[in-house]
Amino acid sequence: EAGVTQSPTHLIKTRGQQATLRCSPISGHTSVYWYQQALGLGLQFLLWYDEGEERNRGNFPPRFSGRQFPNYSSELNVNALELEDSALYLCASSFSERQVYEQYFGPGTRLTVT
Amino acid sequence: KNEVEQSPQNLTAQEGEFITINCSYSVGISALHWLQQHPGGGIVSLFMLSSGKKKHGRLIATINIQEKHSSLHITASHPRDSAVYICAVRSQPDNYGQNFVFGPGTRLSVLP
Repeated sequence: EAGVTQSPTHLIKTRGQQATLRCSPISGHTSVYWYQQALGLGLQFLLWYDEGEERNRGNFPPRFSGRQFPNYSSELNVNALELEDSALYLCASSFSERQVYEQYFGPGTRLTVT
Repeated sequence: KNEVEQSPQNLTAQEGEFITINCSYSVGISALHWLQQHPGGGIVSLFMLSSGKKKHGRLIATINIQEKHSSLHITASHPRDSAVYICAVRSQPDNYGQNFVFGPGTRLSVLP
């Protein structure tokens, strides 16, 4: 069974541009989570989607947004990129969060903003 | 004070040693996760706990809800256990509004 996949692996953008990151969950999982891990900092929760809807978001500005598609894959968009957005962005998936389920992580997308 | 704290921050051990990493939290939780992050960045979920104790191979995780404390133990440590271990909690109040709070991580190096 395929795990969580993310694309691209690496992304280089300049300040002010927009970045789009993609995540495909494990088959059967309906919840997708996005996390940011900036260099030297810990993991921070960004967004949680379940069954097509945004369920919760962390303390990030509105220029961080996303969506979940009918096939449960998800997209994270970061507008008006700033240098401090450079980080590893991790996606995880689980079964529906109506229960508390284990999360499975993807390999991440490393975003570099110059 | 951070909502999730871990100790120690860094740990160096000799191969074969018994290792304990501690996590304490200050919020009400619905579940606690232990994660392992290797140098390349990939994260593996080791355990999800809401009570008691779980064991998987050489890894044991325990949680004490009353004391708001969890421990991750590694028996017979091996150099391939070298990684950052992260404690993460899902805070309450309810399953559908959960927030996720991560500890700062414990960097473990196991020397041959």
